Amino acid sequence: SQTIHQWPATLVQPVGSPLSLECTVEGTSNPNLYWYRQAAGRGLQLLFYSVGIGQISSEVPQNLSASRPQDRQFILSSKKLLLSDSGFYLCAWSAQANTEAFFGQGTRLTVV
Amino acid sequence: TQLLEQSPQFLSIQEGENLTVYCNSSSVFSSLQWYRQEPGEGPVLLVTVVTGGEVKKLKRLTFQFGDARKDSSLHITAAQPGDTGLYLCALRGRGGADGLTFGKGTHLIIQP
Repeated sequence: SQTIHQWPATLVQPVGSPLSLECTVEGTSNPNLYWYRQAAGRGLQLLFYSVGIGQISSEVPQNLSASRPQDRQFILSSKKLLLSDSGFYLCAWSAQANTEAFFGQGTRLTVV
Repeated sequence: TQLLEQSPQFLSIQEGENLTVYCNSSSVFSSLQWYRQEPGEGPVLLVTVVTGGEVKKLKRLTFQFGDARKDSSLHITAAQPGDTGLYLCALRGRGGADGLTFGKGTHLIIQP
């Protein structure tokens, strides 16, 4: 069966510090991978998606970047965090020919 | 402007009552998904509706897709505390692999 792992579960970082959140998927090959952010009052916002290794599409301009160094690994990064980067970050995957998205447990990021 | 409008934003009712939440758009969509999210976790898919006028049942949950495929509703019969959560509707992006666009959700609390 397929599983998705996302870590850490919670993170408190100072403004200006770097960020690296990691997501891995097991039990499937060549998944579509996604990073979403959920902020209070704004709902779930798609940040990045990837259809293959090294292929990253960004939905909104921001202080974040994403990378996919391996087929089932998706990383969300920032060089310098802003207060506005605080939120609940969710990684998700879907099969190529399927519309259902499977989400990780999320990372609660607080920038102080 | 929000592509998907969900209402009500918040709903708190007593155990055993019935309720309906709504998801509306000014655009026609080919399919729509409903997810439920519990605090501190990622959303989990409940159902996908595809055909205008379609009705799907999942135990005490009834999902309906409008005839014009611009709106959907979720009706819960005899609500239970375990139904508490954030109910999100979502539709697929432009190219299939683009990720989901979510409404802001309905926060549902069922009081025992």
